[in-house]
Amino acid sequence: EAQVTQNPRYLITVTGKKLTVTCSQNMNHEYMSWYRQDPGLGLRQIYYSMNVEVTDKGDVPEGYKVSRKEKRNFPLILESPSPNQTSLYFCASSLGGGISDTQYFGPGTRLTVL
Amino acid sequence: AQSVTQLDSHVSVSEGTPVLLRCNYSSSYSPSLFWYVQHPNKGLQLLLKYTSAATLVKGINGFEAEFKKSETSFHLTKPSAHMSDAAEYFCVVSLGNTGKLIFGQGTTLQVKP
Repeated sequence: EAQVTQNPRYLITVTGKKLTVTCSQNMNHEYMSWYRQDPGLGLRQIYYSMNVEVTDKGDVPEGYKVSRKEKRNFPLILESPSPNQTSLYFCASSLGGGISDTQYFGPGTRLTVL
Repeated sequence: AQSVTQLDSHVSVSEGTPVLLRCNYSSSYSPSLFWYVQHPNKGLQLLLKYTSAATLVKGINGFEAEFKKSETSFHLTKPSAHMSDAAEYFCVVSLGNTGKLIFGQGTTLQVKP
């Protein structure tokens, strides 16, 4: 089944403790992206990757890192999480980054930073 | 600047009645537009998309949307609501060739029996 998977689905952590949220897709998509969803704000893009070893900042990149060493994986790294990073995170992928390419979303990771 | 405005944060309908979720966009060029649905505790699922072909776009589960350039609108409709349609709906505009998406704030659809 074609899908985007994320792990973990739920995570509670404390301020300053480094964490990684994994994202993997099995559709051979070149484009991958991370979003955060906050009430009343819709989804906002954190980082995106047009292809392996190519990443760029989205609208809200502060406090996050990403890497794209393999086509299928796009982990999101929080080196020193803070409470304002408590949010619902989505990974997405698409064939390319074209204007008409459909992005397929993972199930989401709910992160709470205490 | 490109933007998306969903005109209603919450819409309530009775089962079997029509659904209208309104979306206006602002774009300096011809955009691609999408509607996604998010059921509680689920990821986002594509309902339909417009990519400059037919202005009336049909999607899954009986939903459709009409692109009206003169009104800069992309409203989502369904003739008859079902209880399973209760969810949050996002209107989304795609910008350029960086994969960047601009999301509206979302509309919560409530369906009453």
